[in-house]
Amino acid sequence: DAKTTQPPSMDCAEGRAANLPCNHSTISGNEYVYWYRQIHSQGPQYIIHGLKNNETNEMASLIITEDRKSSTLILPHATLRDTAVYYCIVRDYRDDKIIFGKGTRLHILP
Amino acid sequence: DTEVTQTPKHLVMGMTNKKSLKCEQHMGHRAMYWYKQKAKKPPELMFVYSYEKLSINESVPSRFSPECPNSSLLNLHLHALQPEDSALYLCASSQIPGQEGSGANVLTFGAGSRLTVL
Repeated sequence: DAKTTQPPSMDCAEGRAANLPCNHSTISGNEYVYWYRQIHSQGPQYIIHGLKNNETNEMASLIITEDRKSSTLILPHATLRDTAVYYCIVRDYRDDKIIFGKGTRLHILP
Repeated sequence: DTEVTQTPKHLVMGMTNKKSLKCEQHMGHRAMYWYKQKAKKPPELMFVYSYEKLSINESVPSRFSPECPNSSLLNLHLHALQPEDSALYLCASSQIPGQEGSGANVLTFGAGSRLTVL
């Protein structure tokens, strides 16, 4: 079973920051938080990951709470091309099993 | 080369046919995965190969038979499928299974093979 909980859908206006929450209250010390997205009928695409520190790359920022029980993916300036299903995954680096939860369907509104 | 290539993109087969899906990567990744995805559902893990050995089989019916001939190739052999097996089949790879560190466990997915069973 997936170890994360995400809202089923969210809307965001184009040009605004999209903040996607993820709850992972049972996360353990060896588990990283990964974010992927899947644009319609394509393969999932890696976005970002982190262990306990906040992370930023050219696509997004990842904010992890101090207790590590939740995180937020931030797309700083959302465009229509960011419309996708976003998956938050918790994974122990020693574990080959990578389970997707239901994800959040993000709609970017023009 | 930073891609996972899946062929064919589309496959239509009858319930008595035997066919195969193929997946190839040239990134030097040592773990490869098969996922099945039905419409509007998340990907479901089917199989994982780690260093060319089958490490995870998620109780998948025997009509699906995976094969990893070498570290770059992953096949999924299909035989006597049912219409409910129609789905998008996704292949993925990751760099170094079981190793901590940035990037070691990031999955790179292919575009998928869309299978229709008549």
